[in-house]
Amino acid sequence: GENVEQHPSTLSVQEGDSAVIKCTYSDSASNYFPWYKQELGKGPQLIIDIRSNVGEKKDQRIAVTLNKTAKHFSLHITETQPEDSAVYFCAAIHSGGYQKVTFGTGTKLQVIP
Amino acid sequence: DAGVTQSPTHLIKTRGQQVTLRCSPKSGHDTVSWYQQALGQGPQFIFQYYEEEERQRGNFPDRFSGHQFPNYSSELNVNALLLGDSALYLCASSLARSLANYGYTFGSGTRLTVV
Repeated sequence: GENVEQHPSTLSVQEGDSAVIKCTYSDSASNYFPWYKQELGKGPQLIIDIRSNVGEKKDQRIAVTLNKTAKHFSLHITETQPEDSAVYFCAAIHSGGYQKVTFGTGTKLQVIP
Repeated sequence: DAGVTQSPTHLIKTRGQQVTLRCSPKSGHDTVSWYQQALGQGPQFIFQYYEEEERQRGNFPDRFSGHQFPNYSSELNVNALLLGDSALYLCASSLARSLANYGYTFGSGTRLTVV
């Protein structure tokens, strides 16, 4: 089955710096890669996603890149702000068939003011 | 456009009791998946419902069961509650035919505490 590895598990950055979180997946059939932000006590919120036919996607300060050959994708947050502090999860989804979803183990991001 | 709604938001139960959690999917979605998230952990897949049937299941005992109704809403039932069942229970909805175009959306969860 699919296996998603996520690194690092914790990340501390100074406000205004960039943060990068990386994920690798094993199943080449996975074709949809969402990223979620989860604040304490709340459900995961979709912040950006990318489909397998796209190499990069940007939304203001957030960008995601996908390398299908190497089976890895990354989340980039620029000009970090204290409100970016949360746990971030990547996921790999095979949207055909039974839509199997596999999550990464999460990255706790702390933005220091 | 309403997102995924879950009820109740918090619940306290005693060991051995039974609990029912409810989920209404995002408008236009027809597939509901349930997850258990222990404190400090990632979401663990419980099962998924589509066309009122359970179509895949994670590594959870039969004490965990579910149901999907014709309007696509879903219930998660847990029998004979254990202390270890204390967790945030998340519901996620999607569209079977086009997940990549319509997304995989989570609700805010139900915090279950078993005492």
